[in-house]
Amino acid sequence: GQSLEQPSEVTAVEGAIVQINCTYQTSGFYGLSWYQQHDGGAPTFLSYNALDGLEETGRFSSFLSRSDSYGYLLLQELQMKDSASYFCALTETGGFKTIFGAGTRLFVKA
Amino acid sequence: NAGVTQTPKFQVLKTGQSMTLQCAQDMNHNSMYWYRQDPGMGLRLIYYSASEGTTDKGEVPNGYNVSRLNKREFSLRLESAAPSQTSVYFCASRGTGLSIQNIQYFGAGTRLSVL
Repeated sequence: GQSLEQPSEVTAVEGAIVQINCTYQTSGFYGLSWYQQHDGGAPTFLSYNALDGLEETGRFSSFLSRSDSYGYLLLQELQMKDSASYFCALTETGGFKTIFGAGTRLFVKA
Repeated sequence: NAGVTQTPKFQVLKTGQSMTLQCAQDMNHNSMYWYRQDPGMGLRLIYYSASEGTTDKGEVPNGYNVSRLNKREFSLRLESAAPSQTSVYFCASRGTGLSIQNIQYFGAGTRLSVL
């Protein structure tokens, strides 16, 4: 089966840069996604890596290394509104079934 | 543009009662998903439907059934609710393609309590 591991909590200061790591175990997958979820809200898509390397979308970037079974989400110029939970997710070979990590709760301090 | 719509938003059941959670999407997506999220936890996949007419089990299918009624609608049924099924349920849909189209769009969720 598949499993993903993320840190449970990360704290950072407004304006700083924070990296949220995700390590995984799988026999094969199509890509690694990242989602954001504010308290009481629904998850929303942030970024997706199908290939190794860095994907950049505004203040958010995501990185994947298949050889290291590792990915991360990088948030720059942190804002208070970035306080939320962040989930990495694997899409299995076949392209349909998606498994989520337990999530990392990010606290942004002033 | 409504996206993914779930009904109801809140529901309280007694142990043993049954109910159906409804989900509809208006984005012409082929794939649809049902997840549950327990407090402080990630999303766990219950069932998914890769396309109209097909359904498959996810990580935690026991105690649930699903129906892909048509391309737009994917319902989740609890035949005999148990307190362990108290959770927030999210429906999601995903478009075709394996790269940038691999985005799941989520509904607002159904908050279910089983007493």
